[in-house]
Amino acid sequence: DQQVKQNSPSLSVQEGRISILNCDYTNSMFDYFLWYKKYPAEGPTFLISISSIKDKNEDGRFTVFLNKSAKHLSLHIVPSQPGDSAVYFCAASAEYSGGGADGLTFGKGTHLIIQP
Amino acid sequence: DTGVSQDPRHKITKRGQNVTFRCDPISEHNRLYWYRQTLGQGPEFLTYFQNEAQLEKSRLLSDRFSAERPKGSFSTLEIQRTEQGDSAMYLCASSQGGRIQETQYFGPGTRLLVL
Repeated sequence: DQQVKQNSPSLSVQEGRISILNCDYTNSMFDYFLWYKKYPAEGPTFLISISSIKDKNEDGRFTVFLNKSAKHLSLHIVPSQPGDSAVYFCAASAEYSGGGADGLTFGKGTHLIIQP
Repeated sequence: DTGVSQDPRHKITKRGQNVTFRCDPISEHNRLYWYRQTLGQGPEFLTYFQNEAQLEKSRLLSDRFSAERPKGSFSTLEIQRTEQGDSAMYLCASSQGGRIQETQYFGPGTRLLVL
């Protein structure tokens, strides 16, 4: 049972436009959410995070929105640039994991393609 | 560069052989994590250390897998009697533990192919 879901395997956006990547989660214990970017043959690179006590966090061109009631978060990239083409992973963690893993739970990723 | 490093970057082995991977975390980080990523999936948690203590293991970590962090610095992940299903990218991450909602930083990974 996937606790973190990224339902769009790929997304194509024109350069300069807004990219919106979505993520849904099912575990109500999750209280910290992160977005990672991954290029082929490299490890994930941390982009931005948000705590469950907030509904928005912004860092330059990247903004993450959290809707706790809907168990949904999204990553907005404005404006999109060619270098943003990569796989984006949504990840979540719980402060109290109930004896389970303290690791992050990842979605399957969305491949973002920025077209010139 | 003070990021997380992993060695080797690539490993090809025959089924039944043992392999060992190394991870060097960011120097001031006391937590170290191992993940496995297969094609089309996100990274899956395997185990983590706080200093030299191994505190959690995922059910994915079969008894053929063992991890150590002897002095609370670098870590090794060994896979004994490798199987073709072990082929994956093995990722290491580190964080400054002891804080709620910490951020994990990943290394470049070791790609394992078992023939």
